[in-house]
Amino acid sequence: AQKVTQAQTEISVVEKEDVTLDCVYETRDTTYYLFWYKQPPSGELVFLIRRNSFDEQNEISGRYSWNFQKSTSSFNFTITASQVVDSAVYFCALRLNDYKLSFGAGTTVTVRA
Amino acid sequence: DTGVSQDPRHKITKRGQNVTFRCDPISEHNRLYWYRQTLGQGPEFLTYFQNEAQLEKSRLLSDRFSAERPKGSFSTLEIQRTEQGDSAMYLCASSLSLEQFFGPGTRLTVL
Repeated sequence: AQKVTQAQTEISVVEKEDVTLDCVYETRDTTYYLFWYKQPPSGELVFLIRRNSFDEQNEISGRYSWNFQKSTSSFNFTITASQVVDSAVYFCALRLNDYKLSFGAGTTVTVRA
Repeated sequence: DTGVSQDPRHKITKRGQNVTFRCDPISEHNRLYWYRQTLGQGPEFLTYFQNEAQLEKSRLLSDRFSAERPKGSFSTLEIQRTEQGDSAMYLCASSLSLEQFFGPGTRLTVL
C-alpha cells in the first residue's frame, strides 16, 4: 500500500526566510504522481504543484521550487523568501493510477512578520 | 465563481440523526471525490465517481454512509445514525485530468 510521510509537524520562520518541507513516499508502482497542496486557515485545500514519476526534472515556479528524487523517494518543497500569507498547513500527496490521493499528515508553517 | 462548492459549510447534529451534504463540482469535470479530514490529519479518501458511476469506496465508508451522483453533476453524501466519531471536515474535490480541485468543505459536529 502507498504511504506518505511528512516528518515535520511544525515549522516557524521569520518573513523572508526560505522554508523547505520534507516529504517521503512509499509505493511499489512505477507510475505515480506527487502533489503539494496548501490549506490556509480558511480551510480550503489549494493545489500548488504536481510531479510525474517519470519526470525528475526539478523546477521553480515563482517563489516555489521542488526537489524530486526517486532514489530516495523524496519530494521536497521550498518556499523562497517566505511571506506572512504563506502561513498554512502544507500537504504532500501521492496518486497512483486509481485516482485517489493519499495525503501525509501535513506540516504547519508559521511565518512571523 | 466556478470552483467546487459545498453546502452546508457547517452542520451541528445530535447523535443518531441523519445528515446530507451536497457538492457541486467544476462544471466540466467528470470525476468527483469525497474525503474526510479530522483535526491534525491529512484528508482520507472515502469514495469517487466518474460521471454518475461510483467506482471505488474506502473501507472507511461504513454502511451508514452513502454517496450518489445521479446525473453526473452534483453529488450528495449522506450519513445515517450519526456517531460522535463522524465529527470531521468532509471535503469534495473534482477533476478532469490529474489535478484535483477541492471545495471549502462541510464541517460536521455530532453532539
